[in-house]
Amino acid sequence: NAGVTQTPKFQVLKTGQSMTLQCAQDMNHEYMSWYRQDPGMGLRLIHYSVGAGITDQGEVPNGYNVSRSTTEDFPLRLLSAAPSQTSVYFCASRTGTSGEQYFGPGTRLTVT
Amino acid sequence: GDSVTQMEGPVTLSEEAFLTINCTYTATGYPSLFWYVQYPGEGLQLLLKATKADDKGSNKGFEATYRKETTSFHLEKGSVQVSDSAVYFCAFESYNQGGKLIFGQGTELSVKP
Repeated sequence: NAGVTQTPKFQVLKTGQSMTLQCAQDMNHEYMSWYRQDPGMGLRLIHYSVGAGITDQGEVPNGYNVSRSTTEDFPLRLLSAAPSQTSVYFCASRTGTSGEQYFGPGTRLTVT
Repeated sequence: GDSVTQMEGPVTLSEEAFLTINCTYTATGYPSLFWYVQYPGEGLQLLLKATKADDKGSNKGFEATYRKETTSFHLEKGSVQVSDSAVYFCAFESYNQGGKLIFGQGTELSVKP
């Protein structure tokens, strides 16, 4: 099992550009989520999904879109990047309604 | 609202020293509690967990006990190693938003030989 994979590892964007952060898991987990990690703030939930076709907003959803067309994939789209979106992004997955979440290696995004 | 407060870092210890990282939480009910560890350049890994009051989670020499009365989940290790250098996050599983994790700000630990 590869677990949770994320691409790219690093990305630099200019303000106003768009991009998609990819996330995939091969554990057949129903629950997937995106967090951002900022210095001194821990991780905060952006969006989550409890299964294919179902997504919902987390604590900090503005400026991000998600979709879940398959169980395996949960891409995060930045529609028009802003410097405030400079962060490290982690995708996570979990089986069932509670329990251990498995995290991907992260994507470090810089918006200039 | 839901929150986690962790001891501020960075914490610098010598090898074989005793480690305590304090963690207290504010939550509705009695959620599952976790410690995650992030090694340099990597994602978060679950270190240990406890799912009910008085449970003790343990792994790799680390321990933490779910204290309902003090809403605390302090992380301890009797003898740290250089390889324990990492950032440690205390977290709990909220009853909202699909069971999202509420994280503390993280505590950086540096162990010197």
